[in-house]
Amino acid sequence: DARVTQTPRHKVTEMGQEVTMRCQPILGHNTVFWYRQTMMQGLELLAYFRNRAPLDDSGMPKDRFSAEMPDATLATLKIQPSEPRDSAVYFCASGLAGRGTEAFFGQGTRLTVV
Amino acid sequence: GQQVMQIPQYQHVQEGEDFTTYCNSSTTLSNIQWYKQRPGGHPVFLIQLVKSGEVKKQKRLTFQFGEAKKNSSLHITATQTTDVGTYFCAGSGGSNYKLTFGKGTLLTVNP
Repeated sequence: DARVTQTPRHKVTEMGQEVTMRCQPILGHNTVFWYRQTMMQGLELLAYFRNRAPLDDSGMPKDRFSAEMPDATLATLKIQPSEPRDSAVYFCASGLAGRGTEAFFGQGTRLTVV
Repeated sequence: GQQVMQIPQYQHVQEGEDFTTYCNSSTTLSNIQWYKQRPGGHPVFLIQLVKSGEVKKQKRLTFQFGEAKKNSSLHITATQTTDVGTYFCAGSGGSNYKLTFGKGTLLTVNP
């Protein structure tokens, strides 16, 4: 059963620490999205990749966030330094562009910055 | 940039009542998708609409895409407690497959 895998599922860290979230997209999918979900803002698109190349990261605070795809099986989202306002659930989703089909979401990483 | 607005933000109904959520885009969309997120879960794809004026049904759920491809709606007939969750629309413009989500409508159902 193909699924998007995110690690860790939960992360509690102190303000100022570096946080790295990982995502394994579904094999064969060529598009990967990173979303942040909060009660106030809903699902915000942070960045997305097509064939491992970043297409749009305009939703991401550039000074502290970075997103990469070192290979087709791994996407990472890094926050350095983390701040309490970064507390949220971060979702990775993958899909197959060109068919306009659905995005498959991972279970999310619940990040708490204290 | 592309913005997708969704109303209402919350809807509480008695079991058996109908429910509708509406989605509006600031730009013309190439397609619109609907997702459901159960409490504590992740968004799960329900359906995609592509054609102007398209209507699709899934059992008690009816999805519509506006003629101008800028608005959409999801209607649930005779809600059940299993319908509880947040319903999101997500629009994609052009061929870039960039999915922009509305803020969702949280549906609660009183048994």
